[in-house]
Amino acid sequence: DAGVIQSPRHEVTEMGQEVTLRCKPISGHDYLFWYRQTMMRGLELLIYFNNNVPIDDSGMPEDRFSAKMPNASFSTLKIQPSEPRDSAVYFCASSGDREAFFGQGTRLTVV
Amino acid sequence: GEDVEQSLFLSVREGDSSVINCTYTDSSSTYLYWYKQEPGAGLQLLTYIFSNMDMKQDQRLTVLLNKKDKHLSLRIADTQTGDSAIYFCAESYTGGFKTIFGAGTRLFVKA
Repeated sequence: DAGVIQSPRHEVTEMGQEVTLRCKPISGHDYLFWYRQTMMRGLELLIYFNNNVPIDDSGMPEDRFSAKMPNASFSTLKIQPSEPRDSAVYFCASSGDREAFFGQGTRLTVV
Repeated sequence: GEDVEQSLFLSVREGDSSVINCTYTDSSSTYLYWYKQEPGAGLQLLTYIFSNMDMKQDQRLTVLLNKKDKHLSLRIADTQTGDSAIYFCAESYTGGFKTIFGAGTRLFVKA
């Protein structure tokens, strides 16, 4: 397995634009997590899914953020409209047992 | 509720020991982890300990668990410049496989 795959690796967008981040988890993993990492706040859990169902989205900052998992092999995190304070590295992770495996992250810059 | 706390920064001199500390709140945690994030990369599992253990040693790494105080530490002996990274403490419990991460401790190693 190639591990957790995220795309794009880097995204630069203008304030107000819609941004979609994508994630392909490891095949067979039941759990999928979206995290955001900034220097000031560290790693924050945004939302996680179990068997494609959102379980806890209490970490999603506001209504501008939404996440979907239409099937076991794909998830998206959408920000609409984007703002400069959304600039961060967004990680997707999946787990099927104890260990969580992380993607390389998407570095989002909103100008 | 679930919470994992750790300090955000630690600076040590090359050759010294580093001790990174973490506290957690969920007494039902079954596994406690240390993840490492190198610059520009995702998180990778470094080591983990079962909640019924007090200590685990792996080469230069020593993990200590004080379950009564809900305190976990990672000691890196003979710290090298290559150990500079962000170290994340995390906990999970059986029945959920949801892993709760701390914000991460950024370790700076001075030559």
